[in-house]
This record gives sequence, C-alpha cells and structure tokens, in this order.
Amino acid sequence: AQTVTQSQPEMSVQEAETVTLSCTYDTSESNYYLFWYKQPPSRQMILVIRQEAYKQQNATENRFSVNFQKAAKSFSLKISDSQLGDTAMYFCAYSSGTYKYIFGTGTRLKVLA
Amino acid sequence: DTEVTQTPKHLVMGMTNKKSLKCEQHMGHRAMYWYKQKAKKPPELMFVYSYEKLSINESVPSRFSPECPNSSLLNLHLHALQPEDSALYLCASSQEIVRANHQPQHFGDGTRLSIL
Repeated sequence: AQTVTQSQPEMSVQEAETVTLSCTYDTSESNYYLFWYKQPPSRQMILVIRQEAYKQQNATENRFSVNFQKAAKSFSLKISDSQLGDTAMYFCAYSSGTYKYIFGTGTRLKVLA
Repeated sequence: DTEVTQTPKHLVMGMTNKKSLKCEQHMGHRAMYWYKQKAKKPPELMFVYSYEKLSINESVPSRFSPECPNSSLLNLHLHALQPEDSALYLCASSQEIVRANHQPQHFGDGTRLSIL
C-alpha cells in the first residue's frame, strides 16, 4: 500500500527567507502524481504545485519549487521569499492517477514578520 | 476565487435534525468528491461521483446520504448525526477519475459542521 510521510509537524520561517518542507512516500508504481496542497485558515485546499513521476524536470510555480528524487521517493517543497500569506497547513499528496489521494499528515508553516 | 462553491460556510445542528450541504462547480468536471476533515488532520475521502453516478462509498455510515442532481451539483444530506461527526466537510471536483489525462482535484472552502 502507498504511504506518504511528512516528518515536520510544524515549521516557522522569517519573512523573505527560504524554507523547505519534506515529504517522502512509498509506492511500487512506476508512474504516479505528487501534489502539494496549501490550506490556510480560510480552509480551502489550494493546489500549490504538481509533479508527474515520469517527468525528470522538477516542477516550479513562481516562488514554489519541488525537489523530486524518484529513486529516494522524496518530494520536498521549497518556498522562496516567504510571505505572510504563505502561513498555512501544507499537505503532500500522492495519486496513482485515479480518484484516490493519499495525503500526508501535514506541516503547519508559520511565516514570521 | 474558489471555483468550487460550498454552502453553508458554517452549520450547527442537533442530533435529530435533517440538513443538507451543497457543492457547485462550473468547470465542466465530471468527477465530484466529498471529504471529511478533522482538526489538524488530512482530509478523508467519503464519496466519489463520476458522471453523476456514485462510484465510491468509503464505508460511510448511512446517516450521510450523497446526491448528485446534475453534473454541476453535489449534495450531502445529513440525518441523525453524532457529535463525532463534527468536522470540516470539503467538496472537490476533477475532470475524470480515470488514469488517462489525470488532472488534480480542486477543492471548495468547506462547510464547518458542529453537532450539538
């Protein structure tokens, strides 16, 4: 069975600095999809970035980028130039391409002014 | 702006009440989902609809009854709930549930439900 592990329950970072959130997963599939979702206090789960396992290139979206290490089954999220609005719970999620998402337990990130 | 709209934002109900949660999307998505999320936990999948038909029921108690009246709407009917059912209920949608052309799920901002 697939599993997703986020080993950092809470993190904090100073505004304008860079922070990396870690995520590891376990699967026997060769092709799959990985996601980072952000859930601010407003509650909506917002897709931050996605990565397809067959793509070697790491995904980037503005200040957000991932370090995808397929062999190590690692999918970390780097947030550059952190902003107060980045304060949220961040969930890493795995999908083999179907409806089923396997979520990690989340990392609560606080950006400090 | 959220593309998946949920109403109401908050709901307080007694254990004998009947209420409904509503979800609407206009992205042309053919898959819609209900999740339950307890505080500081990840969402847990409850139901999946594909092309307006119930595809997946993750062993959810019958006091939760989903309904998909059309391709844009998804309801969750609630009856005789228990205090442990208090949670955030999230709706999501995606293009399809099959492997081909997989697209991510888009979430609404949820209904916070409290059972007295």
